[in-house]
Amino acid sequence: KQEVTQIPAALSVPEGENLVLNCSFTDSAIYNLQWFRQDPGKGLTSLLLIQSSQREQTSGRLNASLDKSSGRSTLYIAASQPGDSATYLCAVAPATGNTPLVFGKGTRLSVIA
Amino acid sequence: GAGVSQSPRYKVAKRGQDVALRCDPISGHVSLFWYQQALGQGPEFLTYFQNEAQLDKSGLPSDRFFAERPEGSVSTLKIQRTQQEDSAVYLCASSLGDVQKLFFGSGTQLSVL
Repeated sequence: KQEVTQIPAALSVPEGENLVLNCSFTDSAIYNLQWFRQDPGKGLTSLLLIQSSQREQTSGRLNASLDKSSGRSTLYIAASQPGDSATYLCAVAPATGNTPLVFGKGTRLSVIA
Repeated sequence: GAGVSQSPRYKVAKRGQDVALRCDPISGHVSLFWYQQALGQGPEFLTYFQNEAQLDKSGLPSDRFFAERPEGSVSTLKIQRTQQEDSAVYLCASSLGDVQKLFFGSGTQLSVL
């Protein structure tokens, strides 16, 4: 059974810092991996989707990498801003295709002005 | 519509009551997913539809939970005889295909007293 772990569970940084969020998964047979952002009381917003054949994806100040063989992904946030404060969730789609995303518990990020 | 719409936004139920949660997916999205998110946890899969067919209901925690999507668009998640442990945010998501980018609604926060 696929398990997704995110470290750290919570992170507090001063504004302007670069930071890395980590995600690991137990079964390397994945179709894709997505990073989501969740604001309090809100649903999830997809930030980046990396196909299993890709190594990384970039969007603005965000960069996500994928190392399928080692079961790891990182989300890099450059020049963090208070508006980046949210919970970041990692989710993997198993390679079988018809099975649903498996989520980690998330990393709660606070960026202090 | 512009995004996935869920109603009601909040629902308070007395233990033993039946509740019905509604999801309007993005128009044209074939796949629809229901997830349950307990406080401080990542979303947990409940059930999945492709058009009107319920392809996977392995995540439904008990036979008190029932979901339908009779015309392949709007979906309803019904919980009978609610229990306190059913208190959670229920998230609906839709996509063009089962392993494509997921778009989430804001969720229904259910509190069972």
